[in-house]
Amino acid sequence: SQQGEEDPQALSIQEGENATMNCSYKTSINNLQWYRQNSGRGLVHLILIRSNEREKHSGRLRVTLDTSKKSSSLLITASRAADTASYFCATDRVDSSYKLIFGSGTRLLVRP
Amino acid sequence: ETGVTQSPTHLIKTRGQQVTLRCSSQSGHNTVSWYQQALGQGPQFIFQYYREEENGRGNFPPRFSGLQFPNYSSELNVNALELDDSALYLCASSFRDQETQYFGPGTRLLVL
Repeated sequence: SQQGEEDPQALSIQEGENATMNCSYKTSINNLQWYRQNSGRGLVHLILIRSNEREKHSGRLRVTLDTSKKSSSLLITASRAADTASYFCATDRVDSSYKLIFGSGTRLLVRP
Repeated sequence: ETGVTQSPTHLIKTRGQQVTLRCSSQSGHNTVSWYQQALGQGPQFIFQYYREEENGRGNFPPRFSGLQFPNYSSELNVNALELDDSALYLCASSFRDQETQYFGPGTRLLVL
């Protein structure tokens, strides 16, 4: 079963615009991570935010975490066509920290 | 590139057959996890191996089994293949207790 749900399921934006994706989860976590997947291939780790952090930045990426609402958001600023991919949030749960539990993903299309 | 390799890249089998998928971990990583990703879904955790022993298992039947070798490479074996086993199989390596997992490009299995 999936821990998280991403919203929206699909997003289409123009190059240069910002893209925001949301993730909700159900149980207490150690951390939450975002991964990118191009064309159904391997996942690439983007950023990790721990349960005691509220916001984190990495280049054009900004991640927020609200543990009281059990939700996170990923913001990609000044999007590029190369950002076109599926984005997944994954949680590392307190009661089973050996595995990542992924959401269903957001498919992002950045139009040139 | 994460340094995690998987073979083969694609595989076609018929129902009832057995399949072995292989994964070579990133240098130095002692933990490997396997995930199944059905089309349009997020990855689902199958199991994890640490120092050649199973360290945790997801909700998959016993016909899914694995091995980890002394060089930390790994195999995923699936017996009595079913049509629903058609998916992308991903392995990920890490150090034990490391929060981030590094994924290989995956093996796409089609069961006819």
